[in-house]
Amino acid sequence: SYVLAQPPSVSVAPGQTARITCGGDNIGSKSVHWYQQKPGQAPVLVVYDDSDRPSGIPERFSGSNSGNTATLTISRVEAGDEADYSCQVWDSTSDRWVFGGGTKVTVL
Amino acid sequence: EVQLLESGGGLVQPGGTLRLSCAASGFTFNNYAVSWVRQAPGKGLEWVSLISTGGGRTYYADSVKGRFTISRDNSKNTLYLQMNSLRAEDTALYYCAKERTPNYYGSGFDIWGPGTVVTLSS
Repeated sequence: SYVLAQPPSVSVAPGQTARITCGGDNIGSKSVHWYQQKPGQAPVLVVYDDSDRPSGIPERFSGSNSGNTATLTISRVEAGDEADYSCQVWDSTSDRWVFGGGTKVTVL
Repeated sequence: EVQLLESGGGLVQPGGTLRLSCAASGFTFNNYAVSWVRQAPGKGLEWVSLISTGGGRTYYADSVKGRFTISRDNSKNTLYLQMNSLRAEDTALYYCAKERTPNYYGSGFDIWGPGTVVTLSS
């Protein structure tokens, strides 16, 4: 089965840039979606199809995907960005959705 | 307002059954595939099951295949998850979520419900 690997945690100072990776075999050939989840809340889609943003999501959130790694980048990090972030792909080989294990972003 | 609202969670004994519902509003329900996703306490998101727009195609995670059944009633704008032979490891917050793009799956989930809690305990 297809596996997505994320680092458990990332720490970043306010105003700096946070980069969250999502590793998978030839993930560059798939569309990657990213979710933000704050404590006690449902996930929110922040990036879809590798690099597109839903309406209402700040431009500070961006994504890229190539080779075996997809990356969610949060620029000019704010305290309100502290949350868990999960990547997701549709594995067409097995007809299943796959989530990464999630990365907790801590704003120092 | 586009909305999903789950119900039906509760406390159940191992081996028991439960039926979750997800009521949709604010969009044309029968145009979108929908999924169930769960989150065990302190853990990450785990996709459970997906159903196509008309209900003719269903997909399951290996962890629930043969025990859970997803279905939908488009006349009632409602998604269901029948959960049988429940195990301790099924304890989780269960979300329903809709695909972002109509008549397609793989586009990501743009709307999630608040979730309903399922707890297994003897």
